[in-house]
Amino acid sequence: GENVEQHPSTLSVQEGDSAVIKCTYSDSASNYFPWYKQELGKGPQLIIDIRSNVGEKKDQRIAVTLNKTAKHFSLHITETQPEDSAVYFCAATNNNDMRFGAGTRLTVKP
Amino acid sequence: EPEVTQTPSHQVTQMGQEVILRCVPISNHLYFYWYRQILGQKVEFLVSFYNNEISEKSEIFDDQFSVERPDGSNFTLKIRSTKLEDSAMYFCASRLDRGARQPQHFGDGTRLSIL
Repeated sequence: GENVEQHPSTLSVQEGDSAVIKCTYSDSASNYFPWYKQELGKGPQLIIDIRSNVGEKKDQRIAVTLNKTAKHFSLHITETQPEDSAVYFCAATNNNDMRFGAGTRLTVKP
Repeated sequence: EPEVTQTPSHQVTQMGQEVILRCVPISNHLYFYWYRQILGQKVEFLVSFYNNEISEKSEIFDDQFSVERPDGSNFTLKIRSTKLEDSAMYFCASRLDRGARQPQHFGDGTRLSIL
C-alpha cells in the first residue's frame, strides 16, 4: 500500500519568511495529492491539492509542486503570517483510501 | 459551504463498553470515510464506504469496528468493546466522487476517551 513520508516534523519561521514542507510517496499509481491544515481542536481542512498531470499549482501565498518521477511533492508558503501556524498534513491517493504524512507543526513567530 | 458534522464532540466511555460515533456527510457526497488520530500522531485511515458497503479497510479496522449508514443522512462508526488504546480523535470525511479525484472533506472530529 501507499506510504507517505513528511519532513520536517516541526518548523519554526519568522513572520514574512517562507516555509517549505516536503513529502515523498511510494505508490506510483497515486494520482492526487491534497494538503490539509489542522488547527487545534479542528478537523483537517483542505488548503490546496495537485493532480498527477500537473507539476505546479499556486493559490495566492501557497504553492505545491509535484515530481512524479522522484515521487515527491512539496508545499510552499510565502510571506508567512502568525495565522499560518498549524499542523500541515500531506496526503496521497490513487482514488482509493488516502494515506497521510505524519504532519508538520508550523510555528510562525511574529 | 456544506460541512461534514460529527456528534458528539467528546465521548467518554468505560473500557469494554460499546460506543457509536455519528457523522452527517455532505448531502450529495457518495463516498464516506473514518479516520483515527491518536494524540500528537498522524491521521490514520480506518475504512471507506460506498454504495452501502465497505470499500476498503485498514489493519486497524478489526472485528471490534463496524460502520453503517442507517438512513439517508447518517454514517456511524461503532466500536463494540472499547479498549484503552481506542482513545483518539475520530474524523469522518466524505467525498463527492471517487473517480474524479475529488477532495475529502473532514468533520471536526469526536474525541473518544476510554477510562
